[in-house]
Amino acid sequence: RKEVEQDPGPFNVPEGATVAFNCTYSNSASQSFFWYRQDCRKEPKLLMSVYSSGNEDGRFTAQLNRASQYISLLIRDSKLSDSATYLCVDHYYSSASKIIFGSGTRLSIRP
Amino acid sequence: DTEVTQTPKHLVMGMTNKKSLKCEQHMGHRAMYWYKQKAKKPPELMFVYSYEKLSINESVPSRFSPECPNSSLLNLHLHALQPEDSALYLCASSQVPASTNEKLFFGSGTQLSVL
Repeated sequence: RKEVEQDPGPFNVPEGATVAFNCTYSNSASQSFFWYRQDCRKEPKLLMSVYSSGNEDGRFTAQLNRASQYISLLIRDSKLSDSATYLCVDHYYSSASKIIFGSGTRLSIRP
Repeated sequence: DTEVTQTPKHLVMGMTNKKSLKCEQHMGHRAMYWYKQKAKKPPELMFVYSYEKLSINESVPSRFSPECPNSSLLNLHLHALQPEDSALYLCASSQVPASTNEKLFFGSGTQLSVL
């Protein structure tokens, strides 16, 4: 089983729609999680951290469910500029700190 | 604009060449990373430097040799690469190693082609 799993998509939704996708992780010792966004041929950029209490930043909401070992990202009122690949990131620390990326979910917003 | 600078942006090399990728950050970050990314795949961790010391080597072949001369610089020395090593090589940094809020800041990457 992969350490971090995501539905690769693509999710193809109309502008203005609400879209959500999940990411599951296998390591119960994982300490923190993030969502990154990556545009085609660009580097990943941090979108938001994910907290147990939930985290909202404008149109974006991230949630963490430790019992079921998944995190989610909700995008409301989607914009054309939201089209990108969204990468779920798991951070855990054992003998050393490791940051692992999920395979990414492709999102395409159509006019 | 990214605050992590990588050079060169593009590199084409033969299998017998020796080349180096460079990464620089001036944010005072004490952890630096090399990731490799193939097309339509996520970044794969290669190396982590924590306080200028190598803390993680993800079983990377010895034809890749990292170096951290100081807290701002990270190099990746390449020698005798194979065509399958062609990929985007991303450098990243984070403020405090092994913290629970280890946010990564990425450079724009070096697109490497091995002929």
